[in-house]
Amino acid sequence: AQKVTQAQTEISVVEKEDVTLDCVYETRDTTYYLFWYKQPPSGELVFLIRRNSFDEQNEISGRYSWNFQKSTSSFNFTITASQVVDSAVYFCAQNSGYALNFGKGTSLLVTP
Amino acid sequence: NAGVTQTPKFRILKIGQSMTLQCTQDMNHNYMYWYRQDPGMGLKLIYYSVGAGITDKGEVPNGYNVSRSTTEDFPLRLELAAPSQTSVYFCASRPGTMNTEAFFGQGTRLTVV
Repeated sequence: AQKVTQAQTEISVVEKEDVTLDCVYETRDTTYYLFWYKQPPSGELVFLIRRNSFDEQNEISGRYSWNFQKSTSSFNFTITASQVVDSAVYFCAQNSGYALNFGKGTSLLVTP
Repeated sequence: NAGVTQTPKFRILKIGQSMTLQCTQDMNHNYMYWYRQDPGMGLKLIYYSVGAGITDKGEVPNGYNVSRSTTEDFPLRLELAAPSQTSVYFCASRPGTMNTEAFFGQGTRLTVV
């Protein structure tokens, strides 16, 4: 069965620290897709990134970077020089049949 | 662009009442979903649809029903509300391919008392 594990329930950092959010997935498929979403305190779900199983290149977007490693079934998300506005719940997800299967989320609190 | 629109945003129901959560999208997406989000539990899939006239159960379908008569609309029906259905409900849509992200509505916060 497909499963996405985000072992870190809550993380608290001080502004400007780097922080990595872990995501481990399980699948028997050879082709699959992974996603990260952000849920700020306002509650909406904001798409951050999509990665397919054939592309293991790391990706960087401003202060955000993602490390995809098929060997460890991980798709980790790093925020460099965190800011208070990064405070949110972050979800990792994987396509599971026609739907997306979400992890339980990691709540990130960035304090000044 | 409206994207995915959910109504209402908030609702309080009494035990045993029924209601319909509305969801509509204007992106001509084939796939639509209903998720519920409970504190600390992530999003759990209730029902999904891959096109008009086609629906299927997700992980937690008990107590809910759906229909998909048009591409745009995917309402979620609660027939006999129970306190266990207190949650935030999200509707989402996605084009008909696996390599695309899902677009989410703003959510409906439902409380059953």
